[in-house]
Amino acid sequence: DVKVTQSSRYLVKRTGEKVFLECVQDMDHENMFWYRQDPGLGLRLIYFSYDVKMKEKGDIPEGYSVSREKKERFSLILESASTNQTSMYLCASRGDRTGSYEQYFGPGTRLTVT
Amino acid sequence: KQEVTQIPAALSVPEGENLVLNCSFTDSAIYNLQWFRQDPGKGLTSLLLIQSSQREQTSGRLNASLDKSSGRSTLYIAASQPGDSATYLCAVRPQGSQGNLIFGKGTKLSVKP
Repeated sequence: DVKVTQSSRYLVKRTGEKVFLECVQDMDHENMFWYRQDPGLGLRLIYFSYDVKMKEKGDIPEGYSVSREKKERFSLILESASTNQTSMYLCASRGDRTGSYEQYFGPGTRLTVT
Repeated sequence: KQEVTQIPAALSVPEGENLVLNCSFTDSAIYNLQWFRQDPGKGLTSLLLIQSSQREQTSGRLNASLDKSSGRSTLYIAASQPGDSATYLCAVRPQGSQGNLIFGKGTKLSVKP
């Protein structure tokens, strides 16, 4: 079974702090994604990566950056957290080269910025 | 620009009923369509994936169909149970893109005992 794990289920940070959200997948997937989910707005793509050290901006990249130094790990960084970044953050992975094409999600991180 | 719509936004049915959830998309140039389930406060669980060349996929009590030309997909749930209560999301993968999925906003299903 594909497993996507996220470093924290719940996180509380203060405005201005630098925040790291970690995501790890164990299926050698080349594609990894970061979304945020807010009531009424649905899932919105922040960044994605289709290979190690490669990254592409999604729909709402402002205020975020990402890092992918190893294939299994994709990190989302909030450079200076703000209250409007309070949200549920979801990581996902997908292995097109394996012929699967299914996208798998982690359990999510509920981030509160006070 | 591809848009995905799910109607209704919420649905309540008695236990045992067969039901259909609807998903429509504006551009038929898709690579595949995926249905997910999300429980409150949790991540998304993949239910079924239909490639653009397929008409339907089945898994247990779930059956998903795809009519690409009309821009529609349905998720059929047979003999619904209270444990089926969740939000169901559909997502399409446009052709020619790097692979980002475009999501609908979901249908919140409540199955009453």
